Amino acid sequence: GAVVSQHPSWVICKSGTSVKIECRSLDFQATTMFWYRQFPKQSLMLMATSNEGSKATYEQGVEKDKFLINHASLTLSTLTVTSAHPEDSSFYICSARRGGSSYEQYFGPGTRLTVT
Amino acid sequence: GENVEQHPSTLSVQEGDSAVIKCTYSDSASNYFPWYKQELGKGPQLIIDIRSNVGEKKDQRIAVTLNKTAKHFSLHITETQPEDSAVYFCAASKGGSARQLTFGSGTQLTVLP
Repeated sequence: GAVVSQHPSWVICKSGTSVKIECRSLDFQATTMFWYRQFPKQSLMLMATSNEGSKATYEQGVEKDKFLINHASLTLSTLTVTSAHPEDSSFYICSARRGGSSYEQYFGPGTRLTVT
Repeated sequence: GENVEQHPSTLSVQEGDSAVIKCTYSDSASNYFPWYKQELGKGPQLIIDIRSNVGEKKDQRIAVTLNKTAKHFSLHITETQPEDSAVYFCAASKGGSARQLTFGSGTQLTVLP
């Protein structure tokens, strides 16, 4: 298989606090991981691309100081939402891709973030 | 950059009928076209994909066709079942180190029993 997990599946935090979301590839090594954001009834919006051991590449309009991404190993990437505000409330989804010639991206189950 | 358009946005079919969802892409360099199924509150699940060197691919009740000249590809689901009800997304990607996906806007498929 190609299983990707995310933790937590949902989180509620207060404005001004930070929250960390973990993304793990359970049965394969992920050279590249992606972080997406999805609003209700909308498509997936790519936030950033991260390669193991390298700095993440952020999409235009995504604040890199607010959404900190760390891809420390071939099986783990983390997204930290710093100084969260209610407008950061969303469904955050990660995906992972094997290295080499692989194109397939396997998605995690998502994390529902609610900022109060 | 790449732009992927998806139609229709909603589709209702009777159980047992076929469903077809269509996507067009803009970048002729795109060479990988996956389809994802997303159930409510869950992450997208890869259901089928096709490379640009293939015109059609089938997996049981699901098939995807690709027309490179016209730059469009379609998802075909036959003998639909209520559990096929979900949002379906098409996507396109091209070569390079990142191989990022550009997603369509999604189609809400409802299979009526």
